[in-house]
Amino acid sequence: QKEVEQNSGPLSVPEGAIASLNCTYSDRGSQSFFWYRQYSGKSPELIMSIYSNGDKEDGRFTAQLNKASQYVSLLIRDSQPSDSATYLCAVNTDYGGSQGNLIFGKGTKLSVKP
Amino acid sequence: NAGVMQNPRHLVRRRGQEARLRCSPMKGHSHVYWYRQLPEEGLKFMVYLQKENIIDESGMPKERFSAEFPKEGPSILRIQQVVRGDSAAYFCASSPGTGNQPQHFGDGTRLSIL
Repeated sequence: QKEVEQNSGPLSVPEGAIASLNCTYSDRGSQSFFWYRQYSGKSPELIMSIYSNGDKEDGRFTAQLNKASQYVSLLIRDSQPSDSATYLCAVNTDYGGSQGNLIFGKGTKLSVKP
Repeated sequence: NAGVMQNPRHLVRRRGQEARLRCSPMKGHSHVYWYRQLPEEGLKFMVYLQKENIIDESGMPKERFSAEFPKEGPSILRIQQVVRGDSAAYFCASSPGTGNQPQHFGDGTRLSIL
């Protein structure tokens, strides 16, 4: 059973701080990793994708991947109240194959306090 | 609007009725995925389709659920003889390809069973 694990939170950080969100996955064959943001009652919105070990930065967001440890994280710098949402980690284990389904974690709820 | 289009946004059905959910992928995307999100649960993959083909239906319940993506028109997720447990948010996503291609989500259909 392929699994993606996240701490459900809530994770509470003050405005302007760095929020660190973590995710582990069970399938060593996983190749593609994604972070989605989901506001309450809304649809998931793609924030970051990462495919190789190391860091990938996009604005205030940095994704980090360590395939040896089967670990992926998302850092949000200068957190804003508008960042308050549930962050979903998603993993695709079939690189280039016919299966395209994503396996999602249950999400970490982030609360940024003004 | 060039995003993934789902309709209806909200659907109410009585037990035993049929529910039909529609999804038009983003322009240029030929891969469609359906996911279900139960209250307080993570997103669960249901089915992956390309035009006129079901590629992976490993997440679909064996009975009452079916999906199609005809040559012309939107993808349809059909639930026959709905039961209370079918109440959930159903999201459609699309991508231009498989594997490492990010999936973009529609606004979802909230299905409520009376």
